[in-house]
Amino acid sequence: DVVMTQSPLSLPVTLGQPASISCRSSQSLVYIDGNTYLTWYQQRPGQSPRRLIYKVSNRDSGVPDRFSGSGSGTDFTLKISRVEAEDVGVYYCMQGTHWYTFGQGTKLEIK
Amino acid sequence: EVQLMESGGRLVKPGGSLRVSCAASGFIFSNVWMSWVRQAPGKGLEWVGRIKSKTDGETTDFAAPVKGRFSISRDDSKNTLYLEMNSLKIEDTAVYYCTADSDGGYVYWGQGTLVTVSS
Repeated sequence: DVVMTQSPLSLPVTLGQPASISCRSSQSLVYIDGNTYLTWYQQRPGQSPRRLIYKVSNRDSGVPDRFSGSGSGTDFTLKISRVEAEDVGVYYCMQGTHWYTFGQGTKLEIK
Repeated sequence: EVQLMESGGRLVKPGGSLRVSCAASGFIFSNVWMSWVRQAPGKGLEWVGRIKSKTDGETTDFAAPVKGRFSISRDDSKNTLYLEMNSLKIEDTAVYYCTADSDGGYVYWGQGTLVTVSS
């Protein structure tokens, strides 16, 4: 099974400051079709998850451009350029290359 | 507007069975691979299983913890997804989300339905 490891697990951030979450996989996430199925989700308190980024770096419709995804192979990053109050929640990475596996989640809070 | 509406979650005794449903609207349901994802209270997300579209064979796949106990089906005429759970265990207690697959990730999510397994 592919293991997804996120860090940090807790992320206190000052409003307006940048934030970065790392996600590492135990195997390469490059699929036979050449795509890398690495997705990022945001789960606000009391809400269902919401997809932010798919295939490493593609932002979903309606997602603010302060969110960006990058990486390749086994090493991926979600960045928030300037954290806003509405960004509080838990962020998960997920791989969809070898079935589906989620990371443990990173809890973002305002410092 | 896309909507996924789960229903059917309730309290069940260990060893019992339960079927939960997900009514979809706002997109072409029959074209989409659908999955169930669960979240135990206070825990992270866990993939449960997936069903492909009829065009792709309508085959199902499951995570190891539920394989052989859970099944997934779909009724494209009713735009509805089902999750049949048998031999339920206490560790199956979770909110079960219905999701629609796109580009290797879940673009649409329902609000979830709570399944509690307890004696």
